[in-house]
Amino acid sequence: GAVVSQHPSRVICKSGTSVKIECRSLDFQATTMFWYRQFPKQSLMLMATSNEGSKATYEQGVEKDKFLINHASLTLSTLTVTSAHPEDSSFYICSASNRRTNGYTFGSGTRLTVV
Amino acid sequence: DQQVKQNSPSLSVQEGRISILNCDYTNSMFDYFLWYKKYPAEGPTFLISISSIKDKNEDGRFTVFLNKSAKHLSLHIVPSQPGDSAVYFCAARAQYSSASKIIFGSGTRLSIRP
Repeated sequence: GAVVSQHPSRVICKSGTSVKIECRSLDFQATTMFWYRQFPKQSLMLMATSNEGSKATYEQGVEKDKFLINHASLTLSTLTVTSAHPEDSSFYICSASNRRTNGYTFGSGTRLTVV
Repeated sequence: DQQVKQNSPSLSVQEGRISILNCDYTNSMFDYFLWYKKYPAEGPTFLISISSIKDKNEDGRFTVFLNKSAKHLSLHIVPSQPGDSAVYFCAARAQYSSASKIIFGSGTRLSIRP
């Protein structure tokens, strides 16, 4: 079945540094990738939608200069949290659209802790 | 503005009985609905979906019912098993395309007790 590999699964970084999270679709082409953020015991909040080869579309309230999204190929999308602050600590999840199944495949998530 | 609502944050059901998880939505443009199961520190796993042209979809122990006039859908799990204990998210999208974004509800934590 369709698989999305997300790395790293856990990362701890210092305030002010940047962290890159990668999502790869392993056996299908992900023309569209979605990035979500989940706070403890809350819903998955959509941050942005990225289409291969074009700029990402950010949801209202999400800082595009802070959360840089790159979707340079049909199998790879990255989210970079720049100048991380403790309030950026959260669970980040990517989701790739799968045209073959008209569905979505989620990555396993990344737990980011900023200290 | 919460477009997809799951008003019950938690639900406890005895093993073997039916679990019913509810979801309401406000956006009449939604025409495709999905249910996901999620464990802590993992990504959501797709369970079942339903298009707005149907009112019921069944897959094994899982059945989703859609009431468009009430903007309400529910997921039935029968019989409930211990492995069903997880958080269940209802989600919806406005276009029949996987390139369209999906909006999640807040989730319901289902606990199956022996």
